[in-house]
Amino acid sequence: DAGITQSPRHKVTETGTPVTLRCHQTENHRYMYWYRQDPGHGLRLIHYSYGVKDTDKGEVSDGYSVSRSKTEDFLLTLESATSSQTSVYFCAIRPLGGDSPLHFGNGTRLTVT
Amino acid sequence: KQEVTQIPAALSVPEGENLVLNCSFTDSAIYNLQWFRQDPGKGLTSLLLIQSSQREQTSGRLNASLDKSSGRSTLYIAASQPGDSATYLCAVSVGNYQLIWGAGTKLIIKP
Repeated sequence: DAGITQSPRHKVTETGTPVTLRCHQTENHRYMYWYRQDPGHGLRLIHYSYGVKDTDKGEVSDGYSVSRSKTEDFLLTLESATSSQTSVYFCAIRPLGGDSPLHFGNGTRLTVT
Repeated sequence: KQEVTQIPAALSVPEGENLVLNCSFTDSAIYNLQWFRQDPGKGLTSLLLIQSSQREQTSGRLNASLDKSSGRSTLYIAASQPGDSATYLCAVSVGNYQLIWGAGTKLIIKP
């Protein structure tokens, strides 16, 4: 897992409630990513970060916000969860510069009822 | 807009067979192509990365090829084993360190 911990691993929440997912890395890598994975869609990038307080939007960022106040933590927040946000969420880090392969956490399965 | 397609969505073969997984992409302007493996309930593990200037990469029983002009990559698995059962995903790098992903091929190797 290259020192990546995602929490919680599973969560069930109700529509309209706020939800925060946490990604923690132990190796102080600069680049961190949040993806969601849905059947038939592959992985889609939500947000990514290239340093403390430096973040940018991915292709499916609507309804999500992120924060990175420390190198090791990258938080994904659903301000008001909707059923369309039911998904498996993966955090990834890029250990080396350039286009080196990503290392992934084990994911968080989120169900919005 | 770059699109990545993996066909078939699922594949079941007997143990010991050599097999090929396919990945196609619509825009040849890529930086690299990567193959990943995903086991149930787990994250993704990088298998091979092919730079845009390369034609192939090998790691053990795995060989990945890249043909940018035709927008295709293949992952060749030699002498398949039950432990190779997993979902295999390909992704192309399109700049700004962003990846565009295929939906994956679920591979089952029957003992």
